[in-house]
Amino acid sequence: NAGVTQTPKFQVLKTGQSMTLQCAQDMNHNSMYWYRQDPGMGLRLIYYSASEGTTDKGEVPNGYNVSRLNKREFSLRLESAAPSQTSVYFCASSDYWGEYQPQHFGDGTRLSIL
Amino acid sequence: TQLLEQSPQFLSIQEGENLTVYCNSSSVFSSLQWYRQEPGEGPVLLVTVVTGGEVKKLKRLTFQFGDARKDSSLHITAAQPGDTGLYLCAGGANAGGTSYGKLTFGQGTILTVHP
Repeated sequence: NAGVTQTPKFQVLKTGQSMTLQCAQDMNHNSMYWYRQDPGMGLRLIYYSASEGTTDKGEVPNGYNVSRLNKREFSLRLESAAPSQTSVYFCASSDYWGEYQPQHFGDGTRLSIL
Repeated sequence: TQLLEQSPQFLSIQEGENLTVYCNSSSVFSSLQWYRQEPGEGPVLLVTVVTGGEVKKLKRLTFQFGDARKDSSLHITAAQPGDTGLYLCAGGANAGGTSYGKLTFGQGTILTVHP
């Protein structure tokens, strides 16, 4: 059972390039999330999708866009990459939107922007 | 904005020692989750506590939620090298607030247990 699958696992970009990080879950979860993880800062929420057809900004949305393609897939796009976006990006999902919901994480995409 | 402060940020101990990691906030949370993350992987849920004063045990790990639901602790007894990893606390907000449904993560505690 795959759970949450993220692609690619590693990526190096030049400043100004664009790319899309892909995420798919096979647990029939309703809610999906994108986080970034930087040293000493824990996980910060970029965007989330409480249910299929909806997306909302999280704590650090600037420079990113998202698409909830269907119930399984939630992609994150960097339109014009900047060195400050060098980070490890995690996608997560939960059964539904609400309190007490545990989140299931993928193994991350390590992104370096030169 | 709700914040969670974890301490210590780094912990390096010998196998067999006990340790406690703290997670503190000035805000009240409806729930507190603890995750463990190994290098190259995503966080994995260890436990969720939802009631003030609640204590949960998971083998050698003991989790406590503060009476006022503003703080939590993780105690590991007789640590083993397999406990090495990044431990993250995450608070869930009450219904009705702008943070409802989202988790606020602490900055993490990196634990290294030496054989």
